[in-house]
Amino acid sequence: AQSVSQHNHHVILSEAASLELGCNYSYGGTVNLFWYVQYPGQHLQLLLKYFSGDPLVKGIKGFEAEFIKSKFSFNLRKPSVQWSDTAEYFCAVSPSGAGSYQLTFGKGTKLSVIP
Amino acid sequence: KAGVTQTPRYLIKTRGQQVTLSCSPISGHRSVSWYQQTPGQGLQFLFEYFSETQRNKGNFPGRFSGRQFSNSRSEMNVSTLELGDSALYLCASSRDGHHTEAFFGQGTRLTVV
Repeated sequence: AQSVSQHNHHVILSEAASLELGCNYSYGGTVNLFWYVQYPGQHLQLLLKYFSGDPLVKGIKGFEAEFIKSKFSFNLRKPSVQWSDTAEYFCAVSPSGAGSYQLTFGKGTKLSVIP
Repeated sequence: KAGVTQTPRYLIKTRGQQVTLSCSPISGHRSVSWYQQTPGQGLQFLFEYFSETQRNKGNFPGRFSGRQFSNSRSEMNVSTLELGDSALYLCASSRDGHHTEAFFGQGTRLTVV
């Protein structure tokens, strides 16, 4: 079975600071990787996804993530955060083969951006 | 287009009762997945349905069940409620279940007292 580990439970940054949230997964086969965001009081939204190809993927709102296969990592980055980025961020993985239709999520990282 | 709709948004039940939650997926989406979100355990997969068939089930007791109708709408049922079932229950829909484009609803907040 797959598992996902997010290194930071709560991150506090000032506006304009750079952001990197760590995500490592455990699974023996090929996977699809995702980052979701949950703004306060809102539903989960997809930030970006990786299926194959270029390991550097760009998502919405200036976020990007890099898949490093040798490290089983998929870290999320943003060069300059804004107050509106305050939210909880979830890394998720899904086996890419047929027969598995579930997302396994990490425990989430709360990001607080101070104006 | 309309998003994923979950009803009701909030629910308070007593221990021992049962509850049914509903999810209407985005038009054209045939896969519906259910997740339980709690502060301690995070987001955990319950089950996934596609064309009225359950294809995947998570590690939850048999008190948790679900079904999908021919119009892709889905319901999940929890019988003999326990205090630990208090959680946000999320529904996600996608075209084929491979999460190429999975969209989540606002969730149903269930409180068991």
